[in-house]
Amino acid sequence: DQQVKQNSPSLSVQEGRISILNCDYTNSMFDYFLWYKKYPAEGPTFLISISSIKDKNEDGRFTVFLNKSAKHLSLHIVPSQPGDSAVYFCAATGSGGATNKLIFGTGTLLAVQP
Amino acid sequence: NAGVTQTPKFRILKIGQSMTLQCAQDMNHNYMYWYRQDPGMGLKLIYYSVGAGITDKGEVPNGYNVSRSTTEDFPLRLELAAPSQTSVYFCASSYLTQETQYFGPGTRLLVL
Repeated sequence: DQQVKQNSPSLSVQEGRISILNCDYTNSMFDYFLWYKKYPAEGPTFLISISSIKDKNEDGRFTVFLNKSAKHLSLHIVPSQPGDSAVYFCAATGSGGATNKLIFGTGTLLAVQP
Repeated sequence: NAGVTQTPKFRILKIGQSMTLQCAQDMNHNYMYWYRQDPGMGLKLIYYSVGAGITDKGEVPNGYNVSRSTTEDFPLRLELAAPSQTSVYFCASSYLTQETQYFGPGTRLLVL
């Protein structure tokens, strides 16, 4: 049972345009969500996070939106740059456990075309 | 700080062999984790540790063992390697719960 789903395996966007990556979750106990970025042959690196008490968090070109009623979050990258080309993983965790175990989605490969 | 380091970067094993994947962090993090990533899949948690001497199973622990004798090191042991264990293994650490996890560069393992 996939608790965190990224239904788009890949996304192609023109440089300068907006990239929107989507993520859905099923477990209502999740209250903290993160996006990680992964380049080939490297480990994932943290990008941005959001707590369930917020519906938006912004950091430079990156904004994460959370819709709790729909159990949906999205990552917006504006403007997109070729260096943003990577695999993006959505992850979720619940504060009910003291272990910070993350549940990851399957990832979306973003390709930003120059 | 080196962050999270993993060795080796790549290894080929024969079925039935054993090996230890090394992981170390120099950030004084309490929490450490082992994940595996299969092609087209997300990261699956194998084992985790909340501090020295304390470990627990994650989502896919079968075929693996861990130990945490120090805060810095969290080795993952594969006994009797099987082709199903062909994967990329990532170690991660975090200071507290609900904190960002920092990942190592990964170990690519091929079992033939």
